[in-house]
Amino acid sequence: KAGVTQTPRYLIKTRGQQVTLSCSPISGHRSVSWYQQTPGQGLQFLFEYFSETQRNKGNFPGRFSGRQFSNSRSEMNVSTLELGDSALYLCASSTRRDTDFLAGYEQYFGPGTRLTVT
Amino acid sequence: AQSVSQHNHHVILSEAASLELGCNYSYGGTVNLFWYVQYPGQHLQLLLKYFSGDPLVKGIKGFEAEFIKSKFSFNLRKPSVQWSDTAEYFCAVNARQSGGNMLTFGGGTRLMVKP
Repeated sequence: KAGVTQTPRYLIKTRGQQVTLSCSPISGHRSVSWYQQTPGQGLQFLFEYFSETQRNKGNFPGRFSGRQFSNSRSEMNVSTLELGDSALYLCASSTRRDTDFLAGYEQYFGPGTRLTVT
Repeated sequence: AQSVSQHNHHVILSEAASLELGCNYSYGGTVNLFWYVQYPGQHLQLLLKYFSGDPLVKGIKGFEAEFIKSKFSFNLRKPSVQWSDTAEYFCAVNARQSGGNMLTFGGGTRLMVKP
């Protein structure tokens, strides 16, 4: 089974621009979560999408948004980029099901997209 | 809000030494617990997980972890490390009541194993 794939792997943008990152989950996984990894703040949860609906949201400004498509692929968008948005953005998918809302699920991470804002 | 603390930021060991990495979390409800590893240049991989049942869980590559509910801890152990265990290790917690897959990560521990 193919793992989680993320595109692009590397991206350089200028302050004020916007960027869209893409994530394809493992086949059959309907939940996609996004995380930001920086040396200073570590790994921080951005949001989770399940069945095309945002189910959880971390403590990030509204410039960070996402969506999920009917095939479970997900995109995240960052508008009006700031220098501090430079980070590794990780996507993770899991087998979460609606019937087990409070159960535990493993998340499988992709290789990430390295975003540099200049 | 939940938080996760990893006490050791950097650990240096010689091959064959025993390893224990500490992880404590703050959350009063039911949690799912994870250890992830990030080898140099590679993506995060799941080492082991605890959802319920036996508090001593075994993972891949000879790692194990013990959940001690009274201490809010989930320490990672390996009896004998190898050079190939050099990596960064992350403890993570998911509060069941939050629903879904919102993981809170600790700050990570960089392990260097000297050959």
